[in-house]
Amino acid sequence: AQTVTQSQPEMSVQEAETVTLSCTYDTSESNYYLFWYKQPPSRQMILVIRQEAYKQQNATENRFSVNFQKAAKSFSLKISDSQLGDTAMYFCAFWSTGANSKLTFGKGITLSVRP
Amino acid sequence: DAGVIQSPRHEVTEMGQEVTLRCKPISGHNSLFWYRQTMMRGLELLIYFNNNVPIDDSGMPEDRFSAKMPNASFSTLKIQPSEPRDSAVYFCASSLAALSEAFFGQGTRLTVV
Repeated sequence: AQTVTQSQPEMSVQEAETVTLSCTYDTSESNYYLFWYKQPPSRQMILVIRQEAYKQQNATENRFSVNFQKAAKSFSLKISDSQLGDTAMYFCAFWSTGANSKLTFGKGITLSVRP
Repeated sequence: DAGVIQSPRHEVTEMGQEVTLRCKPISGHNSLFWYRQTMMRGLELLIYFNNNVPIDDSGMPEDRFSAKMPNASFSTLKIQPSEPRDSAVYFCASSLAALSEAFFGQGTRLTVV
C-alpha cells in the first residue's frame, strides 16, 4: 500500500525567510509522481509543484523548490522569501503507475507566515 | 474552462436524510476522484473513476456511500442515510490522464445534524 507521511502538523516562519516542509512516502513502485498542493483559507486546492520520480533534477517553480531523495523516499518543499500569502495548509501527494494507481495525500501541514 | 464545478457549496441536512453531491469535471478529462476532508483524517480518497468506470472504491466508508459517473461530464456521490460523522468537506477532482495534475473543485461542506 502507498502511504504519504507529513509528520509536522504545523510550522511558522517570519516573512521573507525560508522554510522547509517535510514529506516521506512508502511505495514498492519505481515509477511515480510527487506533488505539493496548497490549500489557503478559501479551501481551494492549488498545485504548487510536481516532481517525476525518474528525473534526478529537483523541480523548481519561482520561490518553491523541492529536495527529492528517491532512495530515502523523501520529498520536502522549500519556500524561499516567504510571503503572507503563503499562509495555508500544504499537502504532499503521491501518484504511481502501478496496478492500483491512485492519488494519495498526506495529512497536511499548516504553515503560518508572520509579518 | 470553468474548472471543476461542484454543487452545492454547502449542505445542511438532518440525520437519516439522503444527500447527493454533484460534480462536473473539466471537459476532456478522463479521470475523476472523490475525496473527503476532515481535521482528524485529512484528505481521504473515496473513489476513483477512469473513463467513467470505477477503478478503486476501497475508500468508500460503508454501504451508505455510493458514487456514479453516468457520462464523462457528470458524477454524483450519494449518502443514504446520512449520519453526523459524515460531516466533512467533500472534494471532486479531475485530471487529463494518470499522473498528471489533478484539478479540484471548490468542495461541498456537508453538515449532518
